[in-house]
Amino acid sequence: DAGVIQSPRHEVTEMGQEVTLRCKPISGHNSLFWYRQTMMRGLELLIYFNNNVPIDDSGMPEDRFSAKMPNASFSTLKIQPSEPRDSAVYFCASRILAGGMNEQFFGPGTRLTVL
Amino acid sequence: AQKITQTQPGMFVQEKEAVTLDCTYDTSDPSYGLFWYKQPSSGEMIFLIYQGSYDQQNATEGRYSLNFQKARKSANLVISASQLGDSAMYFCAMSTGGGADGLTFGKGTHLIIQP
Repeated sequence: DAGVIQSPRHEVTEMGQEVTLRCKPISGHNSLFWYRQTMMRGLELLIYFNNNVPIDDSGMPEDRFSAKMPNASFSTLKIQPSEPRDSAVYFCASRILAGGMNEQFFGPGTRLTVL
Repeated sequence: AQKITQTQPGMFVQEKEAVTLDCTYDTSDPSYGLFWYKQPSSGEMIFLIYQGSYDQQNATEGRYSLNFQKARKSANLVISASQLGDSAMYFCAMSTGGGADGLTFGKGTHLIIQP
């Protein structure tokens, strides 16, 4: 079975440009999470969805960040405009929202560099 | 708000020895889950083990066990018979809401297994 798929794996862009990160969760999973990892701040939860509905977006750093989940098999995280401090590895994770099934499966991450 | 503390930034251990990685947590939610993830130098996040706050027994998964001491709010990871391939960053994480919410991570412990 395919795991969580993220694209692109690497993204280099210039300050001010729009960046869109994409995630395809594991088929059948109905919770999806976006995390960011930096040396300074470690791993942080940005936002998560249950059944395509955003549940907690308190971790989204600024209005420049937005996330959508139009269907059960696709989510995007958009940064507009991007800034150098947004450089990080962005992980998407998914899980089954069911009693006792709490493991979150992570994608390989997207390494974003904003120049 | 919840918090995870990992007090060991780095550890050196001889191959085949047992390793204990420390983790303490803080939350006011009575229903939560505790997780350990491994991040090798390649960057992926690998789930190791999960413990629910109401679980009566400590979780075990192969060479991994979680020493859960609820009164002390600690959830230490024990790796038995360490191997060179265990060298990696290890993150302790917590999820409230019965383990269904997004993860709050500690800063991690860099484990190096020496031959």
